Amino acid sequence: NAGVTQTPKFRILKIGQSMTLQCTQDMNHNYMYWYRQDPGMGLKLIYYSVGAGITDKGEVPNGYNVSRSTTEDFPLRLELAAPSQTSVYFCASSYSLTGELFFGEGSRLTVL
Amino acid sequence: AQKITQTQPGMFVQEKEAVTLDCTYDTSDPSYGLFWYKQPSSGEMIFLIYQGSYDQQNATEGRYSLNFQKARKSANLVISASQLGDSAMYFCAMREGRVYNQGGKLIFGQGTELSVKP
Repeated sequence: NAGVTQTPKFRILKIGQSMTLQCTQDMNHNYMYWYRQDPGMGLKLIYYSVGAGITDKGEVPNGYNVSRSTTEDFPLRLELAAPSQTSVYFCASSYSLTGELFFGEGSRLTVL
Repeated sequence: AQKITQTQPGMFVQEKEAVTLDCTYDTSDPSYGLFWYKQPSSGEMIFLIYQGSYDQQNATEGRYSLNFQKARKSANLVISASQLGDSAMYFCAMREGRVYNQGGKLIFGQGTELSVKP
C-alpha cells in the first residue's frame, strides 16, 4: 500500500532556482493538501485541492503554485526559491471533509 | 489569534506510566473535529485519534484516549503505559465545520515533544 508518495525526499536549491515537489496518492482521495513545517513549529497550509482542476490558497501561499490535473497528483511548484522557503514540506490527502489526513513522508528543502 | 494551543513544548514521562498532553482550542463553530498526530524523529505524521464536537463519549484508540472537555475547549491526549517508542512530537489539530467549503483544512498546534525515560 503506497498511500501518499512524495519526491524528492531531500533537495538543496540555490536562491532564485525553481523546482517542483511531486505528490501522488493511490487512495482515490479527492482532497489533497500541501503543508510546510518550519523547525520546532506546527504545520501551516500552503495550498489545497478539493478535486481535479480545483485548487485554492491556504495560509502561506506566497512563492508557491500548484496544479491538480488528475485525482492522483498534486505537485507543488516553487518559483524563485528564497531562504525563507527552507522547510519540510508535507503532502496529505483525505477521503472526506471530516476524515483524517494521510500524510506523505515529507520533503526536506534547503535554500542556500 | 491562535486557534490551537499546546502549552507544553516538552514533556518527560517514565516508561510504563501515563502521560497527558494538553491541547486547548478556540472556535465559535458548533461543528468541529479534533485530531492528534504523532511525529517520530523519522519525520512522518501518524494519525492517532479523532474526536468530533458532537461525540458524547471521549474517543479511545488502544493506549490513546482523548480527554474532551467541551466547555473548557480542551482536548488533551492521554497515553497510558508509556513505551520508549512513544518518544516523539505530538500535534493537536482542529477542523472547523465552516471550512468544509474550504477543503476541510486542518489547523495545527505547535506540538509537544514527549520523551519517555527507561
